[in-house]
Amino acid sequence: NAGVTQTPKFQVLKTGQSMTLQCAQDMNHNSMYWYRQDPGMGLRLIYYSASEGTTDKGEVPNGYNVSRLNKREFSLRLESAAPSQTSVYFCASSVPGQGAGAFFGQGTRLTVV
Amino acid sequence: DQQVKQNSPSLSVQEGRISILNCDYTNSMFDYFLWYKKYPAEGPTFLISISSIKDKNEDGRFTVFLNKSAKHLSLHIVPSQPGDSAVYFCAAIGRRSGYSTLTFGKGTMLLVSP
Repeated sequence: NAGVTQTPKFQVLKTGQSMTLQCAQDMNHNSMYWYRQDPGMGLRLIYYSASEGTTDKGEVPNGYNVSRLNKREFSLRLESAAPSQTSVYFCASSVPGQGAGAFFGQGTRLTVV
Repeated sequence: DQQVKQNSPSLSVQEGRISILNCDYTNSMFDYFLWYKKYPAEGPTFLISISSIKDKNEDGRFTVFLNKSAKHLSLHIVPSQPGDSAVYFCAAIGRRSGYSTLTFGKGTMLLVSP
């Protein structure tokens, strides 16, 4: 019963390096999301995809790009990592509108040095 | 501008007692509210929710109360258990108003001691 799977779980990057965080869900959900969690800041939405083929900016999109590869997969790319992007990243999925509650992955802890 | 506020970063309660976690919101367009629970090194998990047409929703030991006029909701856990120790996030959404993604508070860390 996988739910939402994120890879990798941990990553250390040097400033300026790029990487892609992968996310896949097996619940046939239309909507997918990327959040970041920083100490004392709660969860902040980076990007979301309401349905396959669409993506929209959230509260903190700068420095990130996303790709909704298909209904199952939603990736987050850091083109040129900065220390300010050190955070824990969570992918989530839901039925449209999240009224029923979103399901989260276990997170990716990213450190940019 | 924080639209969902959890003003208590932490709360300590003894096992068996009631835990009350509070949340305030400023956006009157929110019409659905959720609580999530998060253990260290895990993703948040959905706990309980309430629609704005209700003032109370109960699920076992967990009850959420909504006071729309005060723009305030609270989560009651009775009785509290050590396994309830976690960070609790309040979240809000406006399903009919275009606020279609969750807005989270900063979280309250609950510690239940034996």
